[in-house]
Amino acid sequence: DVKVTQSSRYLVKRTGEKVFLECVQDMDHENMFWYRQDPGLGLRLIYFSYDVKMKEKGDIPEGYSVSREKKERFSLILESASTNQTSMYLCASRNQGGSYEQYFGPGTRLTVT
Amino acid sequence: QQQVKQSPQSLIVQKGGISIINCAYENTAFDYFPWYQQFPGKGPALLIAIRPDVSEKKEGRFTISFNKSAKQFSLHIMDSQPGDSATYFCAALSNFGNEKLTFGTGTRLTIIP
Repeated sequence: DVKVTQSSRYLVKRTGEKVFLECVQDMDHENMFWYRQDPGLGLRLIYFSYDVKMKEKGDIPEGYSVSREKKERFSLILESASTNQTSMYLCASRNQGGSYEQYFGPGTRLTVT
Repeated sequence: QQQVKQSPQSLIVQKGGISIINCAYENTAFDYFPWYQQFPGKGPALLIAIRPDVSEKKEGRFTISFNKSAKQFSLHIMDSQPGDSATYFCAALSNFGNEKLTFGTGTRLTIIP
């Protein structure tokens, strides 16, 4: 069974802190994605990765960076958290060359105070 | 820039009724149109998807209707059940370039007894 796990379900951080969100998939998928979900705005793509050490900016990359050192793990980094980064963060993975279906993790609710 | 417009934002339907959610897109390069279903506390999961070479796709009680000339597609849920209460996202993907999914803003569906 396909599984995408995210390191935390809930996270509270202070403004200016460096924040790491971790995502792990066990399906040997090449593609991984980070989205943020906000009411009324849907899911917006922050960054994605085609393969290890490869990354591309999505639609809203400002204030974020990513790291993919191993195929199964994709990290989202908030270099200096701000209150406007309070959101639900969703990780997803996809088998490149297969169907277009993306498999999502349960999300991390991040609150920046 | 909202490339996929979704309506309504919320919808209340009586049990046994038909739920209809609509989406419109602008980019004519889109050629894959999935619907994702998200229950509270979970990540979105693929529900059903369609390509523009067909006008309708049905899976059980769920049907996608697609109108290529109008650049619109919709999700119909027949005989709606309380277990269908969830947030639904339409999305679109282009085969050209980097195959990113562009999501609509979501519809919160509530089925009342």
